[in-house]
Amino acid sequence: ETGVTQSPTHLIKTRGQQVTLRCSSQSGHNTVSWYQQALGQGPQFIFQYYREEENGRGNFPPRFSGLQFPNYSSELNVNALELDDSALYLCASSFVGGEETQYFGPGTRLLVL
Amino acid sequence: AQTVTQSQPEMSVQEAETVTLSCTYDTSESDYYLFWYKQPPSRQMILVIRQEAYKQQNATENRFSVNFQKAAKSFSLKISDSQLGDAAMYFCAYRGTTSGTYKYIFGTGTRLKVLA
Repeated sequence: ETGVTQSPTHLIKTRGQQVTLRCSSQSGHNTVSWYQQALGQGPQFIFQYYREEENGRGNFPPRFSGLQFPNYSSELNVNALELDDSALYLCASSFVGGEETQYFGPGTRLLVL
Repeated sequence: AQTVTQSQPEMSVQEAETVTLSCTYDTSESDYYLFWYKQPPSRQMILVIRQEAYKQQNATENRFSVNFQKAAKSFSLKISDSQLGDAAMYFCAYRGTTSGTYKYIFGTGTRLKVLA
């Protein structure tokens, strides 16, 4: 059974740039959720994708967007990067219709300069 | 809106001893799930234990057990026979069942130090 993977592991961008983060869900899972974890804080829900559609969104602006592909992998896109976007971005996959426990990937550390 | 509170920013325990981490939550839902996740310095969130609110029996996983008090909205984690590898950030998380979105709401975490 393959776990959740994320790429890249680290990323450095400058203000105003755009970034794409990627996530491959665990084998057998159909739902991907994205979280932002600022330093010293708990993860904050960004949005969730189920059946290739957004299925709920947290308190994040529209410049945070995402996609889910037919193989259930997902992308998180952030436009017009701000310094406060510097954080660890976590992806979690789960199986809606089953246990629905979310299993997390190792995260992508984004630094915005 | 649901909230999760972890009031202990940091805890220490001697190796082989027992420690309890606290978590309280607020919700108007009657059916929900609660979780404890461990986040070591490697950053990956690892599921420690899960509790369904409709189950009265407290969940256990080897050295990890919970004390789930639904009326008090309390969900503490007990780690027995603490090991050096237990040192990590521990996050309590809540997942409701009525919103249609399976998002987790996390607390701010408790850093656990294990002393040799």
